[in-house]
Amino acid sequence: SQTIHQWPATLVQPVGSPLSLECTVEGTSNPNLYWYRQAAGRGLQLLFYSVGIGQISSEVPQNLSASRPQDRQFILSSKKLLLSDSGFYLCAWSVLRSWSEQFFGPGTRLTVL
Amino acid sequence: GENVEQHPSTLSVQEGDSAVIKCTYSDSASNYFPWYKQELGKRPQLIIDIRSNVGEKKDQRIAVTLNKTAKHFSLHITETQPEDSAVYFCAGKPGNQFYFGTGTSLTVIP
Repeated sequence: SQTIHQWPATLVQPVGSPLSLECTVEGTSNPNLYWYRQAAGRGLQLLFYSVGIGQISSEVPQNLSASRPQDRQFILSSKKLLLSDSGFYLCAWSVLRSWSEQFFGPGTRLTVL
Repeated sequence: GENVEQHPSTLSVQEGDSAVIKCTYSDSASNYFPWYKQELGKRPQLIIDIRSNVGEKKDQRIAVTLNKTAKHFSLHITETQPEDSAVYFCAGKPGNQFYFGTGTSLTVIP
């Protein structure tokens, strides 16, 4: 069966510090991968998605970046965090098929102070 | 791109009553519509979905209806229970991306 991992689960970082969040998927090949951010009490904002190694599409301009160094690994990074980067970060995957659901990871709660 | 709108943003019902959440979409290429339930501090989890070639789907107390002509779909929860309290998200999928509604916070009052 497929599983998706995210770490860390929680993170408290000072403004201006770097960020690296990692997501890995097991039990599937060539998944579509996604990064979402969810502010407190708000909806899901798509940040990046990837259909393959090295292929990243960005949905919104920001100081975040994403990379996919391996088929089942998706990394979210920042060189300098802003207060507005605080939120709940969710990684998700789906198969490359029209009628396929999206599976979410457990999330990382990031607080920028 | 796709635009999914969801109403209401908050909904309170008495235990045992029904709850209905409505979504509209703009891109006629959307052919898959999942509904997710997110409990506080947890990840969203799929509760039901519907494909564009189907008008209605039911799973026990949960049902979803789709009107392709009007571009809207709805979630129906019958005989609500306190454990149904959560935030519910609808989504449309025209390609590889999922476009989510802004969520409905459902509270079931015992």
